[in-house]
Amino acid sequence: NAGVTQTPKFQVLKTGQSMTLQCAQDMNHNSMYWYRQDPGMGLRLIYYSASEGTTDKGEVPNGYNVSRLNKREFSLRLESAAPSQTSVYFCASTWGVNSPLHFGNGTRLTVT
Amino acid sequence: QQQVKQSPQSLIVQKGGISIINCAYENTAFDYFPWYQQFPGKGPALLIAIRPDVSEKKEGRFTISFNKSAKQFSLHIMDSQPGDSATYFCAARSAVGSQGNLIFGKGTKLSVKP
Repeated sequence: NAGVTQTPKFQVLKTGQSMTLQCAQDMNHNSMYWYRQDPGMGLRLIYYSASEGTTDKGEVPNGYNVSRLNKREFSLRLESAAPSQTSVYFCASTWGVNSPLHFGNGTRLTVT
Repeated sequence: QQQVKQSPQSLIVQKGGISIINCAYENTAFDYFPWYQQFPGKGPALLIAIRPDVSEKKEGRFTISFNKSAKQFSLHIMDSQPGDSATYFCAARSAVGSQGNLIFGKGTKLSVKP
């Protein structure tokens, strides 16, 4: 019972490089989310997908794109990484608004 | 108005003591208030949650107290243990707008000393 799986666990990028963070859930959840966590800033929502086929911006979407590939998978893409995107990224999923969020264990990204 | 303000940023408690973390909000449309617990290297996990129609919810050593008129809620950890050392996040959700997304506080790092 894997829950929410994120890959990779760690990544170092140079400024301007691109990469895609992968997320998959095996709980048949409808909604999926991408958060970033920075020291003293809590968890900030980047993008979310309320259901398969829909995506919407969260609080801090600039510099990111997302794809809800199917019901299980929700990827986050950095087209041109910047040092300000150094952070820990968490994917989460849930049945819906009255259900708890289930988080993955995060991807630690460093942009030099 | 969408913010959830959490305090303190960090907390050190002796083993067996009571840990108290406070959160405040402004948006009266919030109708669900969960607390998440995060251990180093892991994602946050739901610890306990409350809705505004009750003033208190207890699960084991963890209690949420909710004051609707003051727009405040708090987490109490009784008989705190070293294994409770983690970062705790309060959150709130509105049934109106924003697809019901959670708004998180900035977190409290709790250290329980043996």
